[in-house]
Amino acid sequence: ILNVEQSPQSLHVQEGDSTNFTCSFPSSNFYALHWYRWETAKSPEALFVMTLNGDEKKKGRISATLNTKEGYSYLYIKGSQPEDSATYLCAFSRSGGGADGLTFGKGTHLIIQP
Amino acid sequence: SAVISQKPSRDICQRGTSLTIQCQVDSQVTMMFWYRQQPGQSLTLIATANQGSEATYESGFVIDKFPISRPNLTFSTLTVSNMSPEDSSIYLCSPDLAGAGENIQYFGAGTRLSVL
Repeated sequence: ILNVEQSPQSLHVQEGDSTNFTCSFPSSNFYALHWYRWETAKSPEALFVMTLNGDEKKKGRISATLNTKEGYSYLYIKGSQPEDSATYLCAFSRSGGGADGLTFGKGTHLIIQP
Repeated sequence: SAVISQKPSRDICQRGTSLTIQCQVDSQVTMMFWYRQQPGQSLTLIATANQGSEATYESGFVIDKFPISRPNLTFSTLTVSNMSPEDSSIYLCSPDLAGAGENIQYFGAGTRLSVL
């Protein structure tokens, strides 16, 4: 059984503050770690796909790091804005890539307070 | 990327009835994944559907409850049969674009199902 754990479950952050949250995943048979942003009534939006230990990726104010040896990834949001309010999902894929589908965590529900 | 059209976007159904969810992709894909998210739970893979063969179901999901059709490489349906309130979930389709050189999994906008 593959377990992907995300913490915290929910988070309230003041507008303008920076924040981060965690995804932990099995370190064996690792292929890729995916981060998504999911807003209500929309498709999950892919933020990052990371495959290499030590990977760091950035997209605007959002960045992510990856440690495959210890099995964790961090997502950082700098200078939070109300439009960042969403559920952030991480997902793990095993060796063999997309053929096995993705295993998701339960998500971190982020609310940015003006 | 791909344009993925999923419908219906939401529905409210009575216990014991069935609902068929459709997923249309604007490019040909070999595999289509179907996921669901029950309230408070993770997005979970139901099954993987290849064109021309029977779908492969994950542990805890069976064909009689979630029959899948894959008549061609751009279209798939998932039926939720004999529904009960426990089937209230968000259902998402996801085409596997790995054959097109994509490492990213894209998703439809989901079907929000409530069973009374």
